[in-house]
Amino acid sequence: GEEVAQTPKHLVRGEGQKAKLYCAPIKGHSYVFWYQQVLKNEFKFLISFQNENVFDETGMPKERFSAKCLPNSPCSLEIQATKLEDSAVYFCASSQREATAYNSPLHFGNGTRLTVT
Amino acid sequence: LAKTTQPISMDSYEGQEVNITCSHNNIATNDYITWYQQFPSQGPRFIIQGYKTKVTNEVASLFIPADRKSSTLSLPRVSLSDTAVYYCLVGPSRSYSGAGSYQLTFGKGTKLSVIP
Repeated sequence: GEEVAQTPKHLVRGEGQKAKLYCAPIKGHSYVFWYQQVLKNEFKFLISFQNENVFDETGMPKERFSAKCLPNSPCSLEIQATKLEDSAVYFCASSQREATAYNSPLHFGNGTRLTVT
Repeated sequence: LAKTTQPISMDSYEGQEVNITCSHNNIATNDYITWYQQFPSQGPRFIIQGYKTKVTNEVASLFIPADRKSSTLSLPRVSLSDTAVYYCLVGPSRSYSGAGSYQLTFGKGTKLSVIP
């Protein structure tokens, strides 16, 4: 499609429960990125993929967070045993080339709002 | 990672030109400057990108002085629908570990409020 599609829009989980978020990148885009927006405006980079391969995972809290981008499936971000501090909006973005390449802007979805109670 | 500093907020009346300046004193030679716009409950949207001097598109202009230590996003004749948060990004920047690929780092952004 022409837009990055993220599902669900909202997700509520009790502490300790699992949360799984999905992202369908724009068709033809090779790179997928996940960002976490916790406070009003602050973004934290989590992980990026080049096709199904992890490209950069330096932002991932590896104990509880995992992500995949498998062929012919939406990408996913999974949080095992959610904590209160995981409450945030999670944005997925895609780009044609590596995000920092010139003239290859990130195209963002509208996010999944995760609330951990 | 190249750090950026922007005003936290700005107000403007409809129809005025708005200039948002971003400081990036430690910008590297191969870094370029990109601006994104974010409306409430939406993901950021690319506005404009440049390396030096001036870049103009149908939405905005971007002015970058010769030393590239700052940049100014110029929005001509703003309307109420331009009320949003504007982010200035500088990259490519290696992740803090120094290894692996590059990533874009968002700062705190400037909240622009357009007043009727």
